Amino acid sequence: EAGVAQSPRYKIIEKRQSVAFWCNPISGHATLYWYQQILGQGPKLLIQFQNNGVVDDSQLPKDRFSAERLKGVDSTLKIQPAKLEDSAVYLCASSVSGGAGLFGPGTRLTVL
Amino acid sequence: RKEVEQDPGPFNVPEGATVAFNCTYSNSASQSFFWYRQDCRKEPKLLMSVYSSGNEDGRFTAQLNRASQYISLLIRDSKLSDSATYLCVVKGQAGTALIFGKGTTLSVSS
Repeated sequence: EAGVAQSPRYKIIEKRQSVAFWCNPISGHATLYWYQQILGQGPKLLIQFQNNGVVDDSQLPKDRFSAERLKGVDSTLKIQPAKLEDSAVYLCASSVSGGAGLFGPGTRLTVL
Repeated sequence: RKEVEQDPGPFNVPEGATVAFNCTYSNSASQSFFWYRQDCRKEPKLLMSVYSSGNEDGRFTAQLNRASQYISLLIRDSKLSDSATYLCVVKGQAGTALIFGKGTTLSVSS
């Protein structure tokens, strides 16, 4: 079974620039999550999709972060403009029906 | 109070040791519980689910005490390959997301 795919794997940008991350979940997984993991901490949920609808985006900093899952399959997460504190690993996970998620390898973002 | 709290760690143990990690959660309505393992610079991977009756998977035993809102993970006969960060994870009702603790780092030495 193919896993969750994410790209790019690494990204270095300067503050105030924009960046986008892509995630392709496991085929058939209706639930997709984006998590932010800052060094030394556990993953923190940014947004949860069920098919192409948003279930929970209460912790998404909506002034700078946006995410979409237009066709209920792959998803993009965008940051515009980036801040230094956005440096983290951005993890995408998917599950069949909201159970234990399977994670992708993550995108490591460094904001200078 | 944080939603999921874990032992601060790190735990440094010799090969063959038994080590236990504890975790508490604040939301009494939580319904599903898991332990994930995360290797350095890798993504979290599901280690095991945790059930009220307790469950075992080889050298790993997980326990849940709903009354105390407490979860534990016991690793027996530690191996060098067990060195990783162990994340306690809690989930609410169906459709809600996983909530992670900060993780506890285990280092097993020879």
